[in-house]
Amino acid sequence: DQQVKQNSPSLSVQEGRISILNCDYTNSMFDYFLWYKKYPAEGPTFLISISSIKDKNEDGRFTVFLNKSAKHLSLHIVPSQPGDSAVYFCAAKGAGSYQLTFGKGTKLSVIP
Amino acid sequence: DGGITQSPKYLFRKEGQNVTLSCEQNLNHDAMYWYRQDPGQGLRLIYYSQIVNDFQKGDIAEGYSVSREKKESFPLTVTSAQKNPTAFYLCASSRAFSGNTGELFFGEGSRLTVL
Repeated sequence: DQQVKQNSPSLSVQEGRISILNCDYTNSMFDYFLWYKKYPAEGPTFLISISSIKDKNEDGRFTVFLNKSAKHLSLHIVPSQPGDSAVYFCAAKGAGSYQLTFGKGTKLSVIP
Repeated sequence: DGGITQSPKYLFRKEGQNVTLSCEQNLNHDAMYWYRQDPGQGLRLIYYSQIVNDFQKGDIAEGYSVSREKKESFPLTVTSAQKNPTAFYLCASSRAFSGNTGELFFGEGSRLTVL
């Protein structure tokens, strides 16, 4: 049973436009959510996170929105750049837990 | 530079052989983790360790073993009991629990292929 779902395996966006990556979760005990970016044959790198007590967190071109009632979060990238082309993983953890539960990832392609 | 070093980057193994993947970190992190990634799949937790000489099974520990004799090192052994060992293996570390917001620092990964 997948507790973190990224229903879009891939997404293509024109350079300069907004990229919106979506993530849904089922476990109401999750209290912290993270986005990771991964290039081929490399380890993921941390991008941005949000606590369950917030509904928005912004870092430069990256903004994460959390809708707790819908158990949904999204990552917005504005403006999108070709270097943003990568696989993006959504992850979640519960309070007091060491374990991150990852989604299957969304491959973003930013077209010049 | 502080970081996590995994070796080897690529490894080939014959069926029936055990193989050990190395993971070293100089971030002074207490917690370390091993994940496995398969094509089209998310990262799945194999084992994690919160402190030296202690480790816990993750979601897919069968066929794997680990040790944590030093804070800096968390090697993973893929045993012959692992039915489908061909995968990309990722080691990660994080701060101790009290400051753990979930942010993991990952190594560059080791790709294991069973021939």
